[in-house]
Amino acid sequence: NAGVTQTPKFRVLKTGQSMTLLCAQDMNHEYMYWYRQDPGMGLRLIHYSVGEGTTAKGEVPDGYNVSRLKKQNFLLGLESAAPSQTSVYFCASSYPLQPQHFGDGTRLSIL
Amino acid sequence: GNSVTQMEGPVTLSEEAFLTINCTYTATGYPSLFWYVQYPGEGLQLLLKATKADDKGSNKGFEATYRKETTSFHLEKGSVQVSDSAVYFCALPPGAGSYQLTFGKGTKLSVIP
Repeated sequence: NAGVTQTPKFRVLKTGQSMTLLCAQDMNHEYMYWYRQDPGMGLRLIHYSVGEGTTAKGEVPDGYNVSRLKKQNFLLGLESAAPSQTSVYFCASSYPLQPQHFGDGTRLSIL
Repeated sequence: GNSVTQMEGPVTLSEEAFLTINCTYTATGYPSLFWYVQYPGEGLQLLLKATKADDKGSNKGFEATYRKETTSFHLEKGSVQVSDSAVYFCALPPGAGSYQLTFGKGTKLSVIP
């Protein structure tokens, strides 16, 4: 039962470096989401996608880009990492109007 | 817009104690209501849900009843275990024209033997 798989699980970057976080789901969900979780801030939506080839901005999109070239994959990119992007990132997926299924997260530190 | 207010934590209980975590919400109409749980080092998992007024969601000994009169969805468990130590989130599904779940800030529960 893979569900939602995120890679990598941990990463340390230097300021200004770039990287891509990968999310894969095997439940044939139309919708996919990227959140960040910070102490005292709860979960905040970065970007989301309602179908292959479509993406949209969430609550905190600045500094991130996303792509959904295949239905099962949703990529989150950081073009030029900043210390403020140190966080735990969660991917989720769902059918329309149904509860979301979450991955186990990527812990990202930017020095 | 939608909002969720959840009791502040952290909450520390002894094993076999009774648990209540309060959650109230503001939303248009009568949305479904969710409780998610996040165990240490893991992502969020749906714990239970209720889809209409007076529904009771239940799972793993946890219960929550959808009360439209008080716009509440309090989480309860009669006898907590050490393995219940986690962060609990009350949540609303996306409102009209939105795709974003509305989460409470989370309540951290620690159960001690």
